[in-house]
Order: sequence, then structure tokens, then C-alpha cells
Amino acid sequence: DTAVSQTPKYLVTQMGNDKSIKCEQNLGHDTMYWYKQDSKKFLKIMFSYNNKELIINETVPNRFSPKSPDKAHLNLHINSLELGDSAVYFCASSQDLTGTGGWTDTQYFGPGTRLTVL
Amino acid sequence: RKEVEQDPGPFNVPEGATVAFNCTYSNSASQSFFWYRQDCRKEPKLLMSVYSSGNEDGRFTAQLNRASQYISLLIRDSKLSDSATYLCVVNLNQAGTALIFGKGTTLSVSS
Repeated sequence: DTAVSQTPKYLVTQMGNDKSIKCEQNLGHDTMYWYKQDSKKFLKIMFSYNNKELIINETVPNRFSPKSPDKAHLNLHINSLELGDSAVYFCASSQDLTGTGGWTDTQYFGPGTRLTVL
Repeated sequence: RKEVEQDPGPFNVPEGATVAFNCTYSNSASQSFFWYRQDCRKEPKLLMSVYSSGNEDGRFTAQLNRASQYISLLIRDSKLSDSATYLCVVNLNQAGTALIFGKGTTLSVSS
């Protein structure tokens, strides 16, 4: 069974389109994350949710909107896609040991979604 | 200064070699330290946590020097399967913060 799954694995789309990436974890974790890994392989946090509550919202354009319908799911919706959005987006989850999202135990990553904006 | 700095490499070594990676971090308030491994076009996976006393897991040894804000990873008897990018990761362990990743060091082990 896949612990953290993402769909789709590949996403090729035109500039200006709106797209969503879905993430699900079956580990029973409290905290989920979205990371972006750009062409230089730099992995950077975008958002973090703890029990459906937004904990971390890094400086990302407001075209990116995370949505957590329940603690097992964290989806990422992107409006008006731009060329610079092309990257690999990783979802991850971890068990929150404090209940505040402050301590992150081992993070388990999904397989990534490779987004290409043409 | 970048928050977590690593030599990007690549490190090209023959099988059986011993190789060491270094990492420095800028925030002295960092509390937890890790090495993650990322294979080409795959997701990062935890390799090992790094403890103040140093720790070993088979052929892998991690060391932490808080005074110098320096983390190391030593791989002994390199295998072809060790070829990957090794990411140094630190965490402030504070509410509202997240793991901070270095850009990674690429290792290529050849026969």
C-alpha cells in the first residue's frame, strides 16, 4: 500500500490554465505538507496543514491555494499557471508529536507531480 | 548566507571507497538534524537522523557539531546502490516552522 499518494504523476498544461494536484496519506498522520522542487533541485516548503488547519504558508503567490477536506487529504489548486510554476511538487506527511504542528517527526513524501507549463 | 549549505558535488567514487559529505547550517536555534536520500526522479526518503553524540547505521555514520553548526555523513564501502543525492535537513522544532533542506550532494558510485 502506498503511504503517501499523489495524482497526477505528470501534468502538462498551457499557461493561464487552472489545475489541481491531489494528495492522500493513509498513515494516520496529523500534518501534511506541500513542497516545490525547482529545476535546480532545491526543495522548499510551500504549505503545511495540521489537522486541517493551515500552519505554514510560505511566500508563494496567492494563485496557489491548498485545501484540506480532512486530515488524510491535502490538495493543491493552482490558478493562472505561469511558466515559472514548472517544477516537481511533493506532498508529504508526518506525525505531529506536540499537537501544534511544531515538532515534525520523519516526513514521508509522495512520489511527486511533475508539472510542465508550456 | 544560505540556511543550509552543502557541497553539490558530484562526488564520483569507485565501489568500496569511503566518502564524506559536509553540511553547515546558519541558525543556531536549529534543534533536529537529518540526512535524506533522493534518487533520480524520486521522492526524498529519510536516511538517518543525526544526534549530538553521533550515530551509526551500518555503513553510514552521521556526526553533529553544534558549536560549529556542522553536520557530516560518512559512507564506508560504497555500493553502486548508494548513488543518489544526499540532502542535509535541519528543523527548528518550533510551531509554524518546517524542515529546511539543503540543495543536496550528488554521489555517483562506479564499478
